[in-house]
Amino acid sequence: GIQVEQSPPDLILQEGANSTLRCNFSDSVNNLQWFHQNPWGQLINLFYIPSGTKQNGRLSATTVATERYSLLYISSSQTTDSGVYFCALFSGGYNKLIFGAGTRLAVHP
Amino acid sequence: DAGVTQSPTHLIKTRGQQVTLRCSPKSGHDTVSWYQQALGQGPQFIFQYYEEEERQRGNFPDRFSGHQFPNYSSELNVNALLLGDSALYLCASSITNEQFFGPGTRLTVL
Repeated sequence: GIQVEQSPPDLILQEGANSTLRCNFSDSVNNLQWFHQNPWGQLINLFYIPSGTKQNGRLSATTVATERYSLLYISSSQTTDSGVYFCALFSGGYNKLIFGAGTRLAVHP
Repeated sequence: DAGVTQSPTHLIKTRGQQVTLRCSPKSGHDTVSWYQQALGQGPQFIFQYYEEEERQRGNFPDRFSGHQFPNYSSELNVNALLLGDSALYLCASSITNEQFFGPGTRLTVL
């Protein structure tokens, strides 16, 4: 089945710093989503981005489907950005999301 | 516009018992998927319901079963609970490819 790899596994930042999270995948995709999981476990939709670039405030994402990777950019990080960021996708005729292992982000004041 | 809701929030059961978790999809969504998230891991797909039928299933034993009602809400049932079933259970709803998740039910099996 499709493989999803996220890097880095852990990231520690000072407030105000910028960061890039990466998601590599092994097959073409019909759906790619980025989520932020808060400390209470809620998965918050950040982007639905099977291809192209999108921006939402301090966050932006780019998916290069032909090269099988997606990037999530966080600029001017805040302590509320802390949590786990997941990339998830499905491909072919299947619409079950396959999640990566996540990037655990801690932003310190 | 209400998002995806799940109940209960937390649940404690003992080994061998049975549990039922509930999910109401986002307004206008007709597809419900269930995921299990063990501590420190990404969510794992359990199954998906569409038009009251199980459309797709992940690698979970038959102890895990579900149902979808005519109003698109769904239940997840787990029989003969094991300690390893302790996890956060997430429900997601969709009408197109993009999926939206509820807050989850945290199940502890003692």
